[in-house]
This record gives sequence, C-alpha cells and structure tokens, in this order.
Amino acid sequence: DTAVSQTPKYLVTQMGNDKSIKCEQNLGHDTMYWYKQDSKKFLKIMFSYNNKELIINETVPNRFSPKSPDKAHLNLHINSLELGDSAVYFCASSQVGAFPGNTIYFGEGSWLTVV
Amino acid sequence: DAKTTQPNSMESNEEEPVHLPCNHSTISGTDYIHWYRQLPSQGPEYVIHGLTSNVNNRMASLAIAEDRKSSTLILHRATLRDAAVYYCIFTSGTYKYIFGTGTRLKVLA
Repeated sequence: DTAVSQTPKYLVTQMGNDKSIKCEQNLGHDTMYWYKQDSKKFLKIMFSYNNKELIINETVPNRFSPKSPDKAHLNLHINSLELGDSAVYFCASSQVGAFPGNTIYFGEGSWLTVV
Repeated sequence: DAKTTQPNSMESNEEEPVHLPCNHSTISGTDYIHWYRQLPSQGPEYVIHGLTSNVNNRMASLAIAEDRKSSTLILHRATLRDAAVYYCIFTSGTYKYIFGTGTRLKVLA
C-alpha cells in the first residue's frame, strides 16, 4: 500500500481552467502538507493542515484553496489556472507537525502542465 | 525560516564513500537535523536524522559537529541508485519542513 498517494499523476490543462489534485495518506498522521516544485527544482511549502485545521498558509495566490475533509485527506483546488502554475505538486504527511524527530513522508507528485 | 547551506553538486565514483556537507549555523538546541533525498521523478524520501550524537542506519550515517552548526551525511559505498538531490533541513520548532536547494549527487560508474 502506498503511504501517501495523490491523483492524478499527470495533468495537462488549458489556462483559465479549474482543477483539483487529491491526496490521501494511510499512515494515521495528523499533519498534511502541499509543496510545489517549480522548473528550477526548488521545493516550497504551500500549505499545512493539522487535524483538518489550516496551520500554514504561505504567500500563495487565493486561486489555490486546500480542503481537508478529514485528517487522512488533503485536496488542492486551483482556480483560473495560469502558465506559471505549471509545476510538480507534492503532498506529504507527518505525525503531529514538524516536531523534532518527526519524519515527513511524500507522495510521488502530480505533474501539472498549463498550456 | 530555517536556513541551510549545501554545495550545489558533488560527484563520486561508484563503490566509494561520499561525504555530503551541510552548514546550519542558526540551528537551535532542540532542532533535529534531517536529511532527505529526491531521486529523479520521485518525491523526497527520508534518509536519516539526528540531534547531537552521530547516527547510523541502513542507508547512511550522519556525523554532527560538536557545536551542531554543521553536519555531514555519509554514504559508505555509493551506488548508481544513490544519484539524487540530497537535502539537509531542520524544522526550527515550527510546522514547516523548509527545503533548500540541496546537493545534486552524481555517481560515476
């Protein structure tokens, strides 16, 4: 069983569309994250949820809206997609946040291409 | 945000040891040092972490300087499958795992 799974793995869409990426973790973790990795391979945190509560919201455009229906799921919805949104989006989870010693587990990534 | 400094790239011959350095001069006394690696077209994966003492696991060893301002990830015998970007991070008591630019390790056959 995949610990952190995200769908879809690949997504090609046109500018202006709205799309969602889903993420599920079966590790029983309390905290989930979304990271964005751009073409320069820089991995940047976007959001973090702890027990369905938003605890980190970096300077991300309002077009990005995370939703956590329960602590095992964290979905990312993107409105009005722009060319600059093309990137790899990684979902991740950890036990009770980034406290000392906790390990973060990543999904395999969702490759988003906006044309 | 927690800052680490790593060389952009390193090369190693297959079957030889590799020492990947990291500077983290702003680390506090309670922050753990974590190492992750990202293989091509995959998400980052955990390698090792430690607080003060050197640590060993099946993947690697972690040597932490006495003042904790730097650490070194040691791969004892590099294989082609170890070619990846290696990230050194610490959490600075927040909910964030902040990744730097990492070190791209190239392993030569």
